[in-house]
Amino acid sequence: KQEVTQIPAALSVPEGENLVLNCSFTDSAIYNLQWFRQDPGKGLTSLLLIQSSQREQTSGRLNASLDKSSGRSTLYIAASQPGDSATYLCAGPDQGAQKLVFGQGTRLTINP
Amino acid sequence: EPEVTQTPSHQVTQMGQEVILRCVPISNHLYFYWYRQILGQKVEFLVSFYNNEISEKSEIFDDQFSVERPDGSNFTLKIRSTKLEDSAMYFCASRADSGANVLTFGAGSRLTVL
Repeated sequence: KQEVTQIPAALSVPEGENLVLNCSFTDSAIYNLQWFRQDPGKGLTSLLLIQSSQREQTSGRLNASLDKSSGRSTLYIAASQPGDSATYLCAGPDQGAQKLVFGQGTRLTINP
Repeated sequence: EPEVTQTPSHQVTQMGQEVILRCVPISNHLYFYWYRQILGQKVEFLVSFYNNEISEKSEIFDDQFSVERPDGSNFTLKIRSTKLEDSAMYFCASRADSGANVLTFGAGSRLTVL
């Protein structure tokens, strides 16, 4: 059974800093991993989907990496802005099933 | 950009009542899902639906819950005899194919059971 963990639960950094959010998973047979953003009381916005055949995926200031052998994915945010403040969730499929298993999220606060 | 639409955005109901949460998935998508998020907890899978039948369900998805695709566009989640612990945000999601593509979520329906 897939388990997804995100550490830390919360992170606060000054505006302009580059930062890395971490995600670990237990099933290394994962075939993709998806990162989401969730604003308070809102839905899930997909940020990046990284396939197992890829090492990295980039969208604007965001870069996601996937290392199946170590069971880790990272989301790198460059030049952080106050508007990046949100909870970031990673999710991977459960042992080849269609359903996604979510981490508990990292609540990011960017201080002006 | 195509989006998944959910209604209502917020529903308040009395314990024991039935609720129906509605979703309009992206039009060319074939796989449909319901997830829920209890306040402060992880997003958790409820059920997946493909080809007019349930393809997978979690242990949470017991006889109290049912899903239906009554026409070509809507996808509904029915919760019978609601309990206090059913209070959560319910998310609908859809995907174009089985797993390689992005899972697109709706904005959610907040259910409050009193």
